Amino acid sequence: GAGVSQSPSNKVTEKGKDVELRCDPISGHTALYWYRQRLGQGLEFLIYFQGNSAPDKSGLPSDRFSAERTGESVSTLTIQRTQQEDSAVYLCASSQGREANYGYTFGSGTRLTVV
Amino acid sequence: RKEVEQDPGPFNVPEGATVAFNCTYSNSASQSFFWYRQDCRKEPKLLMSVYSSGNEDGRFTAQLNRASQYISLLIRDSKLSDSATYLCVVNTTSGTYKYIFGTGTRLKVLA
Repeated sequence: GAGVSQSPSNKVTEKGKDVELRCDPISGHTALYWYRQRLGQGLEFLIYFQGNSAPDKSGLPSDRFSAERTGESVSTLTIQRTQQEDSAVYLCASSQGREANYGYTFGSGTRLTVV
Repeated sequence: RKEVEQDPGPFNVPEGATVAFNCTYSNSASQSFFWYRQDCRKEPKLLMSVYSSGNEDGRFTAQLNRASQYISLLIRDSKLSDSATYLCVVNTTSGTYKYIFGTGTRLKVLA
């Protein structure tokens, strides 16, 4: 597609429920990132996929968080047993390659609210 | 020490002023640097890359100081529309090769 697409744009869920967030990167972009941004805070790195390499999961805050990517296409971020502190905007970004010489393109994010 | 650090601001400046932000990084092996702009409740968007020799794009100038491990962004003739949060991005080679975002510097240009 023309840009990075994320869905849903907004999600309200009850504490304890599982949620799944989706990211469609720009076609041909091999690198894909997930970030979390709490209200008024900076971007917090969660996970990084690069081609067929093993993902860098070093930013995932707990084992309730997991992410998958099918080849060089869609990625899903799953949060199990959601907690109120998971409330944030979850941003996905993609780039043409590891070097990201042209920078990343971000999706417009999924705003998650856990009530 | 954080891998990438920025003064959160806010920097409140009048229209037409010149303002500069710095961003320090801890990994001396870092090679790629960017400035992003993020408007309120919007996703970050690439503003400009930062090249070793420094680079300019209209009213914006980016510079790299490898010896002191910081990058800078200079905005001349500030416009109201420049009000935003400016994020610096630096690559890291610790673990996998990836990019780390600073927490951003907030700029408010006042009429």
